[in-house]
Formats: sequence, structure tokens, C-alpha cells
Amino acid sequence: SQQGEEDPQALSIQEGENATMNCSYKTSINNLQWYRQNSGRGLVHLILIRSNEREKHSGRLRVTLDTSKKSSSLLITASRAADTASYFCAETFGNEKLTFGTGTRLTIIP
Amino acid sequence: EPEVTQTPSHQVTQMGQEVILRCVPISNHLYFYWYRQILGQKVEFLVSFYNNEISEKSEIFDDQFSVERPDGSNFTLKIRSTKLEDSAMYFCASSAWTGGTEAFFGQGTRLTVV
Repeated sequence: SQQGEEDPQALSIQEGENATMNCSYKTSINNLQWYRQNSGRGLVHLILIRSNEREKHSGRLRVTLDTSKKSSSLLITASRAADTASYFCAETFGNEKLTFGTGTRLTIIP
Repeated sequence: EPEVTQTPSHQVTQMGQEVILRCVPISNHLYFYWYRQILGQKVEFLVSFYNNEISEKSEIFDDQFSVERPDGSNFTLKIRSTKLEDSAMYFCASSAWTGGTEAFFGQGTRLTVV
């Protein structure tokens, strides 16, 4: 897969269900971040997980990182209509720039 | 809550014209970035800027592009001679520290080259 590729590309679930998105990367990382983008809008930072961390929580968000598999997952629990957006992982290594994945388009059905 | 602001929100320009996209980063941030997103594609890094100079740039950021921090608040991206393929959403971002800390993004400028 390509650097920072999310899976699935699109996901539709019923409101209240949990949504899981996965991200794979190829190189070593300092940290991995997840961002949300509402249609046609800017990116909003959700959570950052460092390379020496395995799991992190923030509200309804849970992120895991498996450096041996070069993968991360984002879990959104008890989804709401307002969670409808595109979600991107972005990795950094050795510098400041973010390398974004292809994104998962999440649709929450009321 | 502090935010990154970008102007204009939408710019239409003729091919070959120069455009300047403007950004006001968060005031105490030290690192500034431009990214772009062509419709339906991933967000791509263009350039990072620190201590009044470019710290890194991508292959996309060729001689047609330049960045400037003309005063203590503004951060601009100039495209000298726009091409049709420059049509994209351009995002400015800033962060307080380096090492891949949280970046704050503006709402973007949609550039349409006709």
C-alpha cells in the first residue's frame, strides 16, 4: 500500500454505532496524528500518538498504534451525525511536515 | 480559541496571472506551513517555514512558488504564473513546536485557475 493509506476509503454506519478506520504507513515515524475534515473545510486535529505509545484516548476517540505492523486505527464510539466527515492519518518523521494518507470518508446515517 | 485565518476564501484567476494567498497564523506559533489539496485527492505538503526561512519544501514547490512573512503576523504564498493544474484548496497551518506536534489549519483558500 502507499504511504499513509487509510482503509476503508468510505464507511457508512448507523448513528450510535462505532466506526473504525485504519491507516498504514511505510517508513519509521516520530508520531502519527489523526485529522478530521468536514466537506470543503479545513483540517481539525483530533489526536496525536507518539511512536512509543500503543494506545491513546480522547473523549469518544481511541487510537492504537502498532509500529511492528506500521499501522494505526482510529475508533469513534457512539457515533453521531456530526461525525460525518473525512478522516486522515498523518505521520511525521524527523521534521515538521505532515504526510497525509488518502482518507476515509465517514457517513453517519441518522 | 486562537485560530489560523486565511484570505481570500475563494480566488479565481486567469492562467498566467500571479496570485498571493494570505494567512495569519496563531500568534505565538513558530512554524508555518502551506499544504494543498487537489479536489478528491490527499493533502500534500508544499513548504515549511521557520525563523524567516524555508526549512523544507516539496517537489511541488518549484520556482513558481514563494513564501514570505512580511511582518510579524502575515504569512503569504505567492504563485507567480498560475497554471490550470494549480487549481486546488490551499491550506495554511502553524504549530508551536517542531517534531511533528499538533498543527492548526486554516479553513483554506480555494484557488481556481481558468
